[in-house]
Amino acid sequence: GQQVMQIPQYQHVQEGEDFTTYCNSSTTLSNIQWYKQRPGGHPVFLIQLVKSGEVKKQKRLTFQFGEAKKNSSLHITATQTTDVGTYFCAGWGSGTYKYIFGTGTRLKVLA
Amino acid sequence: DTAVSQTPKYLVTQMGNDKSIKCEQNLGHDTMYWYKQDSKKFLKIMFSYNNKELIINETVPNRFSPKSPDKAHLNLHINSLELGDSAVYFCASSQEATGLRPGGPEAFFGQGTRLTVV
Repeated sequence: GQQVMQIPQYQHVQEGEDFTTYCNSSTTLSNIQWYKQRPGGHPVFLIQLVKSGEVKKQKRLTFQFGEAKKNSSLHITATQTTDVGTYFCAGWGSGTYKYIFGTGTRLKVLA
Repeated sequence: DTAVSQTPKYLVTQMGNDKSIKCEQNLGHDTMYWYKQDSKKFLKIMFSYNNKELIINETVPNRFSPKSPDKAHLNLHINSLELGDSAVYFCASSQEATGLRPGGPEAFFGQGTRLTVV
């Protein structure tokens, strides 16, 4: 079945450093969404990418959708302690009703 | 108003018991889901319902039985609880069941139910 892997699984950074998580799907995605889950919280939608090669920015966050629509990345510039949490990519299984989440990247930011 | 609400937030119970988790959404969405999140934070889809009809059942033991009395509610009943069922269970909803159209809908999550089986 379709798998969506994210690397790294964990990342510790010093406050002010940059951070990137990569999302790789075994099959082509029609679109991809990114979510953030704070410790003890629930996943919250951040953004959606639809077009091949699309790049979107939200303040210090930059999201990219690969040309082949099988991978994506989230980059955070100058991390802050409020960025702590687990970041998930998500997408629809090809031709199915399955909404699949990536394995997640847990980010810790050290002050 | 909470868009997707689950009850209870915490559930501690003994092995062998039967328990239910309730979920309601007031977003007018057609599709609802149950996800299980384990200690490693992996989010695994369990069930998906579209307009009260089951459309996804992801190799979940038949001790888990979802019920959707109407499209705003999706409850999860678990029989004969086992230690391995301990996890956080999330209910979610989205506008429609498929992302085949380019602007596929995102999911809105409930606060989660932390189930501990002792």
